[in-house]
Amino acid sequence: DAKTTQPPSMDCAEGRAANLPCNHSTISGNEYVYWYRQIHSQGPQYIIHGLKNNETNEMASLIITEDRKSSTLILPHATLRDTAVYYCIVRVHMEYGNKLVFGAGTILRVKS
Amino acid sequence: DTAVSQTPKYLVTQMGNDKSIKCEQNLGHDTMYWYKQDSKKFLKIMFSYNNKELIINETVPNRFSPKSPDKAHLNLHINSLELGDSAVYFCASSPPGRYQPQHFGDGTRLSIL
Repeated sequence: DAKTTQPPSMDCAEGRAANLPCNHSTISGNEYVYWYRQIHSQGPQYIIHGLKNNETNEMASLIITEDRKSSTLILPHATLRDTAVYYCIVRVHMEYGNKLVFGAGTILRVKS
Repeated sequence: DTAVSQTPKYLVTQMGNDKSIKCEQNLGHDTMYWYKQDSKKFLKIMFSYNNKELIINETVPNRFSPKSPDKAHLNLHINSLELGDSAVYFCASSPPGRYQPQHFGDGTRLSIL
C-alpha cells in the first residue's frame, strides 16, 4: 500500500482558504488519491478524489503534482464547521470493494 | 433519511457478554464494510461484504462475526467481549465500481466495563 504523510495539525482563519498538503511518494500509476474528513463524533465523510488531473467539486479542490508524489486539498473559504480531521488516502484496489487505509490525518482548526 | 444507519449508537456492557451491532444502508450499494476506531483514533477496516459475500477479512479475532442477510444489511456480532473491544465501530457502504467513495454511518460507541 502506498503510504501518505500529512502534517499533524494546521490552523486556518475563517473565510480564508485552507490548504492541506499530503505526500505520497510511493504511489503507483493507477492508484487514486482520496480525501475524507471526520468531524468530531461523526463518521468519515468523503470529500474528493483524483488520479492525476486537478479536481473540483462543491466541497473542495484537489491539486495533484505532475509527478503524483504529493497533493493538496483546498477548502476555498473555510468555515468553523470545517474543523475536523482530514485524511489523505491512497486507495488500495481490489476487484470488489476497496480497503481504505487511514493514517493519523491532519487536524484542521478553523478559527474566527 | 440517513443513508447508512447503525444501531445502537451507544452500547455499554460487561466483559464476557455477547452483543450485536446492526447496520443498514438505503443507498442501493453492493458493498458494505465494518471499521474499528480505537482510543488512539486510528480507523482500521475489519470486514467487507459484496452482495452478501465476504470479500475482505482482516486479522480480526474470530469472536467477531459479520452477517449479511441481504445486501442492504451488514450486522456485526461480537462474542465474549473483552476490554480491548472498547472502540467506535463504523459501518460503510459503496456502490459498484473500483473507484467509488465509501459512505459512512455515524458509528456505534462500544464501552466494555
